[in-house]
Amino acid sequence: GAGVSQSPRYKVAKRGQDVALRCDPISGHVSLFWYQQALGQGPEFLTYFQNEAQLDKSGLPSDRFFAERPEGSVSTLKIQRTQQEDSAVYLCASSLDSSGNTIYFGEGSWLTVV
Amino acid sequence: DQQVKQNSPSLSVQEGRISILNCDYTNSMFDYFLWYKKYPAEGPTFLISISSIKDKNEDGRFTVFLNKSAKHLSLHIVPSQPGDSAVYFCAAPVAGYALNFGKGTSLLVTP
Repeated sequence: GAGVSQSPRYKVAKRGQDVALRCDPISGHVSLFWYQQALGQGPEFLTYFQNEAQLDKSGLPSDRFFAERPEGSVSTLKIQRTQQEDSAVYLCASSLDSSGNTIYFGEGSWLTVV
Repeated sequence: DQQVKQNSPSLSVQEGRISILNCDYTNSMFDYFLWYKKYPAEGPTFLISISSIKDKNEDGRFTVFLNKSAKHLSLHIVPSQPGDSAVYFCAAPVAGYALNFGKGTSLLVTP
């Protein structure tokens, strides 16, 4: 596709369940970002990949959050033992170069933990 | 630590009038600013940006003004159209790539 694709679009998880969110960036985009957007807030940076290398994971809220991009294209954000405060929209974005000046966002994966 | 602040959660403007959305920042090291527009159930889309070496950038109906001494920027939409109704986010890159977003302002343009 032409844009950033995320799946699933909507996920309801029981507290304690593990979830995996997938991101297909725009083809050829070097940089990939994950953001978390809680209700009524702006997106907050989670992690940054340049190709397959995770260069910054400073925004990941806890060690229950893990992201990977093994072949430098598709990325997966995994949340282990989900908790209610993890309920948010998880946005993936990609960029042609290593700067964050013009990045393209996917539609997001809406996670609700019950 | 909220380094980019949008203090107006919502704004309502009549069609054809000017919409002014405001943004303040605290980090004087920011040298580039972006505005994103977000419709419900969609991801944010890039709207317009400005470098700190400029004080104005214009793109069609959208103009962004930067006042570095006041650490303030604003987005002007003239004339406003109903299709402009969306949430607008102000953002600045930290470390060159991680965007620091404000909380957003929800704009409603009424016919």
